[in-house]
Parts: sequence; C-alpha cells; structure tokens
Amino acid sequence: EVQLVESGGALVQAGGSLRLSCAASGFTFRGYFMNWVRQAPGKGLEWVGLIRKKGDSYTTEYAASVKGRFTISRDDSKNSLYLQMNSLKTEDTAVYYCARDNDYRLDPWGQGTLVTVSS
Amino acid sequence: QSALTQPASVSGSPGQSITISCTGTSSDVGVYNYVSWYQQHPGKAPKLMIYDVFNRPSGVSDRFSGSKSGNTASLTISGLQAEDEADYYCSSYTRSSTRYVFGSGTKVTVL
Repeated sequence: EVQLVESGGALVQAGGSLRLSCAASGFTFRGYFMNWVRQAPGKGLEWVGLIRKKGDSYTTEYAASVKGRFTISRDDSKNSLYLQMNSLKTEDTAVYYCARDNDYRLDPWGQGTLVTVSS
Repeated sequence: QSALTQPASVSGSPGQSITISCTGTSSDVGVYNYVSWYQQHPGKAPKLMIYDVFNRPSGVSDRFSGSKSGNTASLTISGLQAEDEADYYCSSYTRSSTRYVFGSGTKVTVL
C-alpha cells in the first residue's frame, strides 16, 4: 500500500524553527518528485514547495510566502522527505501535508501534521 | 500567484447532479491540461478525484467527471450521495515559478 506519514508538528514560538518529516512506503520513493502543501485552520490548500528527484539534481521550488525561510530536502536511502522551517511566523500555522507528485497530480497525501506558531 | 476561483458553496438533493467551476488564467488552467480535483472530508487529507482535466484514478466512482473550456475547468458530480458532502479543491499546474496553484475550495452540501 502506498503510504505517506508526516511527523514533527508542534507548538513553536514566532521566530523559531521546526523540522517536519514524511516517511514514505509502498512505492519507489527515489523515482518521484515530492511536495509539501499546507492548510491553515478553516482555510484552503496552499502549495508550499517541491523537491525533484536525483536525476533532476534534487532541485527545489518554493511558494513566495516561504521562500528563503523554508528548505525542502530528501533522503532517498531512508525513503524520507523533510521540511526545515525557520523564522516561523504566526501565519505559518497550518496542517502540513506531504504529497507524491505523480505526473502533475498530487497522489497520495499523508494524513498531515499540525504546526502552531504562537506570538 | 492568485488562487483559482471556485464558488464557496454548492448544494443539491440526493440523486441530483451538481457542477463546480474553477476559473484560472492563461498562465494555468487556460494553457495546461493538468487540472486536478481533490475531495476533502472534515479532518481528513485531500483525496485525488480527477486528474488531467477528466481522468479518474482507479477506485473513484464514475459519478465524478471533469471538463475544461478556456480558462475554466469544471467538476460534475452526478447521482449525488450523502457521502459526497465534503470540500472540493481544484488545482492546476502553472507556468509561474510555483508549480501548482489551488482553488479557493467549494463546500458541497447534500440537502
């Protein structure tokens, strides 16, 4: 079964840092681009960023709202995706989902992990 | 990058058909056939329902169908059922520096 499981969500103060993880199983992780998407409480989905695979030099793309503060990385040997979040702001409060990029569609998604940034 | 425009809510009675629109621009929906639709029940992760405008993943009911005309994509749910009550989001690949843009979301209510 293809599965993604996020972890690492927590309550953190504004200006702080947090690292989220996403463990993948049931598919050849190294063969796919991977994305992070977030959803603020009661709001819609917002694409955060993606990391390409080794053959594409692990290049990354980010939404303007997080560029320069967030860094996406991956460890193909551990089938894991990461999101390093620095200089956190209250508006970063959200459920963060990892999602496999399957030829321009996101499928599947993990169950999400909640990040709360307090002032 | 602005979100794609969706109606905030759509409702219908069991058995009826409803259509949700998703309006983008010539930088996303209008130029790429990479439009997807996601269903999200409260407290759950989004689930892919339609990809590449009109394709259904294995396991998704054929009551769900997608289409596109110009800058607007649409999701139609026919034979509406209670379990279809959820939030629905469209998404499109975009030529901007971001990869994906999402719609604002539509709450579907089964009366």
